[in-house]
Amino acid sequence: RKEVEQDPGPFNVPEGATVAFNCTYSNSASQSFFWYRQDCRKEPKLLMSVYSSGNEDGRFTAQLNRASQYISLLIRDSKLSDSATYLCVVTPSYNFNKFYFGSGTKLNVKP
Amino acid sequence: DTAVSQTPKYLVTQMGNDKSIKCEQNLGHDTMYWYKQDSKKFLKIMFSYNNKELIINETVPNRFSPKSPDKAHLNLHINSLELGDSAVYFCASTPTGMNTEAFFGQGTRLTVV
Repeated sequence: RKEVEQDPGPFNVPEGATVAFNCTYSNSASQSFFWYRQDCRKEPKLLMSVYSSGNEDGRFTAQLNRASQYISLLIRDSKLSDSATYLCVVTPSYNFNKFYFGSGTKLNVKP
Repeated sequence: DTAVSQTPKYLVTQMGNDKSIKCEQNLGHDTMYWYKQDSKKFLKIMFSYNNKELIINETVPNRFSPKSPDKAHLNLHINSLELGDSAVYFCASTPTGMNTEAFFGQGTRLTVV
């Protein structure tokens, strides 16, 4: 079983739409949680960390549900520039240097 | 001023050859990584070094040998290349501590023919 699982998509949405992605993780002792963004043929870059109480950064909201072992990312008022692959990342408590990446969810925002 | 730089960006080589990829970071981070991203876009950790010491060594064929001459550099040497080694290899670095951001190099697209 993979450490982190995501729906690969693609999610095709019009500009201005709200879209949400979920990701599940298998290790209940996971410690740190992140969303990364990867543009086509580019390297992954940190979008936001995910905190236990949930957190927001502009149009982006991240939530963590430890009981159900999933994290979510909500994007409001989608822009064309949001088109990318969104990677869910988890680190275990026994080794915070070990980043486990999901395979990513592809988002296409259409005009 | 590139934070994590890896060379080469593209590498096309024949089966059976030996090749190296180099990575350097100027962020002062203690920990560096090699990740492999296959055709299905799955990013999988291969190795990690902390201050030149190997701390993560996933199940990777021993044809792959990382080397860290100092904490700012992490190289990857691959012997006897196989078709299945074709992938994008990313170098990354993080500072010490929890909840830290990983900074990635631009990737090396390796194609074995």
